[in-house]
Amino acid sequence: QGQLVESGGGVVQPGRSLRLSCAASAFSFSSYVMHWVRQAPGKGLEWVAVIWYDGSNEYYADSVKGRFSISRDNSKNTLYLEMNSLRAEDTAVYYCARALWSGHRNGMDVWGQGTSVTVSS
Amino acid sequence: QFVLTQPPSASGTPGQRATISCSGSSSNTGSNDVNWYQQFPGTAPKLLIHSNNRRPSGVPDRFSGSKSGTSASLAISGLQSEDEADYYCAAWDDSLNGYVFGTGTKVTVL
Repeated sequence: QGQLVESGGGVVQPGRSLRLSCAASAFSFSSYVMHWVRQAPGKGLEWVAVIWYDGSNEYYADSVKGRFSISRDNSKNTLYLEMNSLRAEDTAVYYCARALWSGHRNGMDVWGQGTSVTVSS
Repeated sequence: QFVLTQPPSASGTPGQRATISCSGSSSNTGSNDVNWYQQFPGTAPKLLIHSNNRRPSGVPDRFSGSKSGTSASLAISGLQSEDEADYYCAAWDDSLNGYVFGTGTKVTVL
């Protein structure tokens, strides 16, 4: 079925950077479109970014465009989210998720447990 | 940015049927499949319904989805206490070139 494990979260000051990682196992990572989704404390789900299976294409939510960058290393079965110029409103639990049947329009059928990012001085 | 509208809450007694609506637009629910997620507090979301009305393996057939035009709905028949959770609809948006989630609905079993 597949497993995803996020890491890299923590407390960071406004304006600083952080890189999240998502390690994939038990499925053919290089064949799947992957997403990042976040959830601020007490709030709903917010899609952040998507990357094609081969890294050839990527899209971002307007709220993070120009500040966040999604990437992947298929040789390491790992997805990344580079977050720059962090703001208080980026405080959230960040999830990586696999796209069902590797279609970016499809649902997300495998999710990680999430990693918490807190932006505070 | 939430572009899919859901009622904030829904409820029912055990055994009853609960329905959750999801209203979007031509660029998202009107032209792409709708997916539904279930989330319990402190845990990751789980895909409940995909492609408007298809259940992943392991999801009870008490859960069903439908779509008509730019609106979709999730029905939970035979409500059980373990169905108390937050539910989100979602779809790809061709105008935003992004995936959009609904505002979320909290289901309470009375």
